[in-house]
Amino acid sequence: QQQVKQSPQSLIVQKGGISIINCAYENTAFDYFPWYQQFPGKGPALLIAIRPDVSEKKEGRFTISFNKSAKQFSLHIMDSQPGDSATYFCAASPHDYKLSFGAGTTVTVRA
Amino acid sequence: GAGVSQSPSNKVTEKGKDVELRCDPISGHTALYWYRQRLGQGLEFLIYFQGNSAPDKSGLPSDRFSAERTGESVSTLTIQRTQQEDSAVYLCAEQSFGPGGLPAGELFFGEGSRLTVL
Repeated sequence: QQQVKQSPQSLIVQKGGISIINCAYENTAFDYFPWYQQFPGKGPALLIAIRPDVSEKKEGRFTISFNKSAKQFSLHIMDSQPGDSATYFCAASPHDYKLSFGAGTTVTVRA
Repeated sequence: GAGVSQSPSNKVTEKGKDVELRCDPISGHTALYWYRQRLGQGLEFLIYFQGNSAPDKSGLPSDRFSAERTGESVSTLTIQRTQQEDSAVYLCAEQSFGPGGLPAGELFFGEGSRLTVL
């Protein structure tokens, strides 16, 4: 039973466009919501993370939006670049322990 | 605490054989996790180590799977009598402990061991 549901499964965006990936969760004990980026043949690496005391966090071209009442959070990639082509996983956990991951979104940025 | 080494990077085995996958975190005294990633799917939790003990083995899919950790460092995941459905990438990750001695913050993943069971 997947505790974090992620969509879409894949998306294609033109260079300079915006990529949006959405995630939803049910467990109200979750209080840590990271996004991981994975390139082929590599392990996932932390991209950005948010805790529920804020509704938005921005780091460079990457922004997490968090809606606690709806139990949803999303990743926005602004000005998408070919180097952003990767698989992105949302995740959630209580107190940083034992992350539950979404199924992943493969992002392809066309030059 | 960055940098996790996993071996082998690729393993092809025949159904019914046993395999051992190794994880070597660079930092000691960290929390250690094993996850499984099936093709096109998310990461599935298998087991968590705190020190050399495994207080959470709830993700191990069957009794054919076992893991141990020694010296609060190297961990080995063993799969006995492998089946085709065991084919996946097995990822190891380490995490630091925060105040209070609980796992905190970023997971640092290795590059994984890709297991193919024929």
